[in-house]
Amino acid sequence: AQSVTQLDSQVPVFEEAPVELRCNYSSSVSVYLFWYVQYPNQGLQLLLKYLSGSTLVKGINGFEAEFNKSQTSFHLRKPSVHISDTAEYFCAVSEVGNDYKLSFGAGTTVTVRA
Amino acid sequence: EADIYQTPRYLVIGTGKKITLECSQTMGHDKMYWYQQDPGMELHLIHYSYGVNSTEKGDLSSESTVSRIRTEHFPLTLESARPSHTSQYLCASSGTGVQYFGPGTRLTVT
Repeated sequence: AQSVTQLDSQVPVFEEAPVELRCNYSSSVSVYLFWYVQYPNQGLQLLLKYLSGSTLVKGINGFEAEFNKSQTSFHLRKPSVHISDTAEYFCAVSEVGNDYKLSFGAGTTVTVRA
Repeated sequence: EADIYQTPRYLVIGTGKKITLECSQTMGHDKMYWYQQDPGMELHLIHYSYGVNSTEKGDLSSESTVSRIRTEHFPLTLESARPSHTSQYLCASSGTGVQYFGPGTRLTVT
């Protein structure tokens, strides 16, 4: 069975500083990996995905993530954050051949301060 | 514009009432999903559907039921609402591996 661990529940960061959100997964088969962002009182918006190919994935709003199979990780990074990046971030995994059913991590709350 | 819709966005209702949360998508996706999310917590899959007349229970046990009579429509029903059903319910659909989410319904049962 697949599972996801987000290692940081809260990440405070100053505006224009870099941020990294850590995500580790567990699965016995090949996986697809995703990062979603959730703003208050809204649904989830896809930031980026890894399905196959290059392990460095670029997404929207300047975010990128790197798939590391040996470390079973999929950490999310942004070199310079804005106040508008304040949100909840969820890492999710789907096992290949499992009808794209997602398992989510507990989420990381990013608070950007001026 | 292709999208996924959920109504109502917010619902406050008394114990024992029957409720239906609506979810519709205009992307022609075969697969649809319902997730439950408590405040500050991760999402848990409660129902999913491969296509018309196909529904399955998810990883988290739920007293709700779903139906899939049309490709674009995937409503969730609670026959008798209880305070323990208070939560946010998110609907999603998928065509090629990526799930797209609706805005969610925040349900409060008093």
